[in-house]
Amino acid sequence: AQSVTQLDSHVSVSEGTPVLLRCNYSSSYSPSLFWYVQHPNKGLQLLLKYTSAATLVKGINGFEAEFKKSETSFHLTKPSAHMSDAAEYFCVVTPNTNAGKSTFGDGTTLTVKP
Amino acid sequence: DGGITQSPKYLFRKEGQNVTLSCEQNLNHDAMYWYRQDPGQGLRLIYYSQIVNDFQKGDIAEGYSVSREKKESFPLTVTSAQKNPTAFYLCASRGLAPNEKLFFGSGTQLSVL
Repeated sequence: AQSVTQLDSHVSVSEGTPVLLRCNYSSSYSPSLFWYVQHPNKGLQLLLKYTSAATLVKGINGFEAEFKKSETSFHLTKPSAHMSDAAEYFCVVTPNTNAGKSTFGDGTTLTVKP
Repeated sequence: DGGITQSPKYLFRKEGQNVTLSCEQNLNHDAMYWYRQDPGQGLRLIYYSQIVNDFQKGDIAEGYSVSREKKESFPLTVTSAQKNPTAFYLCASRGLAPNEKLFFGSGTQLSVL
C-alpha cells in the first residue's frame, strides 16, 4: 500500500521569497517520488523526480526537493518565488515495479503575491 | 511529435446517457491510465492497463468502463451508473520500466446537463 499527504492545500508567498511545499509519503516498496506542476488551463508537467540516486534532486525552473527516508518526506523548495510559479503542485509516489500505479497527493495551490 | 491526445476537450452528458472519452498515444507506451481530478482531491485512478486486451480497476472504477484493443488507444466510457460524473478527466501513459515518468494528455472536462 502507498499513500501521499501534501500537508498544505494552499501556500501563499511574496515574489522573491522562498517556497516550501511539503509532502509526506508511505510505501511498502522502495518508491520513486515525483513532483508535477499544473498551470491553469495547461497539462501536468514534471518538475523533478527521485529514483534512489542522490537524495537532493534538482528540477526545472529552480525547484529542488530532498528525499528524507527517516522522515518519509519529499518537500519541494525554491529559493526565490517568481510570479510564474503560481500553479497547483502534486506530489506523486510510484512503487519501483514495472508500470506500478502512481498515487497522487491532493495538491497544493501556490499563490505568489507581487 | 510524440504525445497523448485526448478528445473532446469539453463534453456534456445527459441523464442516463453513456459517453466515451478518447485517449490516443503515439509514444509506444505499454501502460495507460485514466485519472479523475476533482477540486481539492488530487488525481484518483479509475482504470489502468499494462498490456493490450488487459486492464485493471483503480480506486474509483465504479460507473466506468474501458477497453484496450490497441496499444495506442485506451477509451474511457462514463456510464449512466456513475452518479457524479462532473469532473476533469486525465489520461496518462508511461513505459513499463520502473521509475519512468507519466506523460499526460490535456484532459477532458465532463459536465452533466
